[in-house]
Amino acid sequence: DTAVSQTPKYLVTQMGNDKSIKCEQNLGHDTMYWYKQDSKKFLKIMFSYNNKELIINETVPNRFSPKSPDKAHLNLHINSLELGDSAVYFCASGGQGETGELFFGEGSRLTVL
Amino acid sequence: AQSVAQPEDQVNVAEGNPLTVKCTYSVSGNPYLFWYVQYPNRGLQFLLKYITGDNLVKGSYGFEAEFNKSQTSFHLKKPSALVSDSALYFCAVRPIGRGYSTLTFGKGTMLLVSP
Repeated sequence: DTAVSQTPKYLVTQMGNDKSIKCEQNLGHDTMYWYKQDSKKFLKIMFSYNNKELIINETVPNRFSPKSPDKAHLNLHINSLELGDSAVYFCASGGQGETGELFFGEGSRLTVL
Repeated sequence: AQSVAQPEDQVNVAEGNPLTVKCTYSVSGNPYLFWYVQYPNRGLQFLLKYITGDNLVKGSYGFEAEFNKSQTSFHLKKPSALVSDSALYFCAVRPIGRGYSTLTFGKGTMLLVSP
């Protein structure tokens, strides 16, 4: 039973399109995250939600909009896709406050043509 | 702001030999420190963490790491490397007492273990 699951695993789309990635966790954690991993494998935090409330919003274009319908789900919608959005997007969840490790999904590889 | 440095892009070691993957950090105050591993086309998997107490932390798959406050380091080690340990390793830091602060990751170090 997958702890953090993301769908879809792969997206290939044209510039200018809109796409969404869904994430669900069954660990009972209060906090969920979106990270972006670029082509050099560098990981950068994008957003963090705690109990459906946005708590971290890094310098991310407005075209990226997270949405948390409940504390087990955190979706990412991207408008007007650009070539530079091509990356692997990881969802993660964390519990136990500051000392808790994060649990990552398998990633969603977005390719913008 | 916190940061993590992993000075080596790649570490090469022969199977059976000890391995070390280096990590240094910068944070205001005391840190929580983590190591993760990423296999190709997979998500990150937690290996171990330092929270408090003994500076030597043991984790999954025989890995361990030593917290050194004076050198602000948290190097990952394993006494005897396996070919299956070949993967991308990330060190991460979170400052203590900052509420909902996230993990900040290093750039990763590729470990290649040769047969």
